[in-house]
Amino acid sequence: GENVEQHPSTLSVQEGDSAVIKCTYSDSASNYFPWYKQELGKGPQLIIDIRSNVGEKKDQRIAVTLNKTAKHFSLHITETQPEDSAVYFCAALYNFNKFYFGSGTKLNVKP
Amino acid sequence: NAGVMQNPRHLVRRRGQEARLRCSPMKGHSHVYWYRQLPEEGLKFMVYLQKENIIDESGMPKERFSAEFPKEGPSILRIQQVVRGDSAAYFCASSPVGGVSTDTQYFGPGTRLTVL
Repeated sequence: GENVEQHPSTLSVQEGDSAVIKCTYSDSASNYFPWYKQELGKGPQLIIDIRSNVGEKKDQRIAVTLNKTAKHFSLHITETQPEDSAVYFCAALYNFNKFYFGSGTKLNVKP
Repeated sequence: NAGVMQNPRHLVRRRGQEARLRCSPMKGHSHVYWYRQLPEEGLKFMVYLQKENIIDESGMPKERFSAEFPKEGPSILRIQQVVRGDSAAYFCASSPVGGVSTDTQYFGPGTRLTVL
């Protein structure tokens, strides 16, 4: 089965700085990699995703990069704001419809 | 355009009772997935269903847990004879039929089950 590792488990940055979260996956057949943001007491919210036919995707302050050869992908948040504070999860699609999730990164943006 | 709906949001059960968790997918979605999240952990896949069919239940415990997605009505995750270890947040997600993004999953707000 798939295994997704996520680092770091906690990340504290100053408002305005950048934050980077990294994930590695084990199944070379995986071809879809979403990122979710989860706020306390809420369900995961899709914030950005990338498919294996592209290497980078950007949406305003958020970007995701994918290195298929090395089997890792990263989330980049620039100009962080306090409202970015949450737990972020990466995921990799396995067997067409099953997602394996990383263990999460708790991001704290200090004002 | 309502998102994925789950109810109840919070459920308290005593050991040995049954828990029923409901999920209504987004409009136009007919694929439903259930995940379990323990405190401070990531989400673990349990089961994937389409209308009247269980497609993949490889993540679901063999005993006490069952899921269904009938032709009419919400998907139900049922836990019989609950134990304290079943305490967790249970999330439902749905994805659309057809199109480019059939693998994109959208999550509901979750049901937080507490077993006393």
